[in-house]
Amino acid sequence: SQTIHQWPATLVQPVGSPLSLECTVEGTSNPNLYWYRQAAGRGLQLLFYSVGIGQISSEVPQNLSASRPQDRQFILSSKKLLLSDSGFYLCAWSTGLSTGELFFGEGSRLTVL
Amino acid sequence: KQEVTQIPAALSVPEGENLVLNCSFTDSAIYNLQWFRQDPGKGLTSLLLIQSSQREQTSGRLNASLDKSSGRSTLYIAASQPGDSATYLCAVRRIRDDKIIFGKGTRLHILP
Repeated sequence: SQTIHQWPATLVQPVGSPLSLECTVEGTSNPNLYWYRQAAGRGLQLLFYSVGIGQISSEVPQNLSASRPQDRQFILSSKKLLLSDSGFYLCAWSTGLSTGELFFGEGSRLTVL
Repeated sequence: KQEVTQIPAALSVPEGENLVLNCSFTDSAIYNLQWFRQDPGKGLTSLLLIQSSQREQTSGRLNASLDKSSGRSTLYIAASQPGDSATYLCAVRRIRDDKIIFGKGTRLHILP
């Protein structure tokens, strides 16, 4: 069966520090991968999605970036965090089919101080 | 622009009642609609996936319907239990760009 792992679960970082959140999927190949951010009262915001290695689409211009160095690995990064980057970050995957179901990881809580 | 709306934002009902959560969407050109459950501080758990050609899906005490032409979906929960307390989100996968758009969710509290 397929599983998705996301880490770290919790992160407290000072303003201006770098960020790296990692997500891996097991049990499937060539998944579509997604990074979402969930802020209180604002719902889920799609940040990045990827349909293959090295193929990243950005939805929201900001100081975050994403990379997909391997088929089942998706990384969310920042060179310098802002206070506004605080939030709950969720990685998700689906099959490449348009009818595919979306599955989420457990999330990473980021607090920028 | 695809918008997904969930009303009410919060709901409290006594244990044992049947209840309906609503989801509406503005663009009917969708591949599918998915219902999720989210517990506090956790990721989203997929509950039901309805393809655009389907009218409903059932899993245990849950039943989800889809009326694509009117842009509506409902999630019916039978015989509610305190363990059903969570936030329920719906999401549609739109055809024109294959993006998945979420509603803001309904926060459900089942009173023991």
